[in-house]
Amino acid sequence: GAVVSQHPSRVICKSGTSVKIECRSLDFQATTMFWYRQFPKQSLMLMATSNEGSKATYEQGVEKDKFLINHASLTLSTLTVTSAHPEDSSFYICSASLGARVSETQYFGPGTRLLVL
Amino acid sequence: QKEVEQNSGPLSVPEGAIASLNCTYSDRGSQSFFWYRQYSGKSPELIMSIYSNGDKEDGRFTAQLNKASQYVSLLIRDSQPSDSATYLCAVNRSGGFKTIFGAGTRLFVKA
Repeated sequence: GAVVSQHPSRVICKSGTSVKIECRSLDFQATTMFWYRQFPKQSLMLMATSNEGSKATYEQGVEKDKFLINHASLTLSTLTVTSAHPEDSSFYICSASLGARVSETQYFGPGTRLLVL
Repeated sequence: QKEVEQNSGPLSVPEGAIASLNCTYSDRGSQSFFWYRQYSGKSPELIMSIYSNGDKEDGRFTAQLNKASQYVSLLIRDSQPSDSATYLCAVNRSGGFKTIFGAGTRLFVKA
């Protein structure tokens, strides 16, 4: 149980284009989903927290107009990187939790590797 | 001071030995603690969660929590080459739902 999928697993795009990444909880309803970014040999950095039906909460330094998050249902959240640039190349990972308690475990998707040329 | 600190390693242990991974955190009010394993190029997978002081055992893994010392550790008994990965310590801070990850410790288990 508690399986999270991401699509696509890898994407290469030209600078200036937009890329959409989907995160789905396959066998549970996720009250909260999280989006992380991880640069090589660095730790996970939380970008934003999204709750179904409400606006995402972005971390300091993360541009909400550049990284659009939509949490349309309890099983789907999307991250759109708008006008992507080479510095946006990274490993993007989503996670989902079953509930809203602080102790809730996060289950991670397999990640999406983005390369912007 | 980082909120969650780990020794980056690499920590190298022979096969069959005990690997000891350590983590300290700065928020004294933190409530939930997690250890994740991340293989190169993959996303993290949960190994253990621990919420109260003491030890918690699951198979070859034991998590230890000492809130007074703001310290959490992970012991891996009978280490296997397949345990070679980066181990991430994660802490849920008090008063919120945000999980802070350490930078991770790279573990190498030599066959």
